[in-house]
Amino acid sequence: AQKVTQAQTEISVVEKEDVTLDCVYETRDTTYYLFWYKQPPSGELVFLIRRNSFDEQNEISGRYSWNFQKSTSSFNFTITASQVVDSAVYFCALSEVTSNTGKLIFGQGTTLQVKP
Amino acid sequence: EPEVTQTPSHQVTQMGQEVILRCVPISNHLYFYWYRQILGQKVEFLVSFYNNEISEKSEIFDDQFSVERPDGSNFTLKIRSTKLEDSAMYFCASPPEGGGDEQFFGPGTRLTVL
Repeated sequence: AQKVTQAQTEISVVEKEDVTLDCVYETRDTTYYLFWYKQPPSGELVFLIRRNSFDEQNEISGRYSWNFQKSTSSFNFTITASQVVDSAVYFCALSEVTSNTGKLIFGQGTTLQVKP
Repeated sequence: EPEVTQTPSHQVTQMGQEVILRCVPISNHLYFYWYRQILGQKVEFLVSFYNNEISEKSEIFDDQFSVERPDGSNFTLKIRSTKLEDSAMYFCASPPEGGGDEQFFGPGTRLTVL
């Protein structure tokens, strides 16, 4: 069965610290997609990144980077030099190709608090 | 980022009443989705809709719920006989224009059932 686990419920850091948010997934599919979304206090869900199961290349976008490791079924997200504006709930999600509908299966979310 | 719109932003209703939540997904896209997020919890898939038909629904999406496309662009989620536990944020989502596997979410409708 498909499942996404974000074991860290809450993380608190001081501004400028680096922080890594963990995501572990379970799927029987060989082809799937992984995502990260940000939910700031205002409540909207903001798409950050998509990664497909064939592409294990790590990605960097500004202060954000993602580490996809198929061998450990993990898709971790690192924020470098965190800022107060990074404070939000971050969700990891999975979409299986065999579902044929593209539905997203979300983890429980990690609340990140960045203190000044 | 392309825009998905939802109305109303907040809906308050009495238990047992019917509510209709509205969404305008990214234009010209055939896929759209409804999700629910109970306060403080994870986002849960409700239903996917493709080319005017339900393509998949979750266990949550029982007979109390229905989706429709009343005109060419708007989609609605109808919740009949609302219960206290239906109080949640309801999001609609749509893939980007031109295709893609990510989904862009609307701002959500906060439903409060009293």
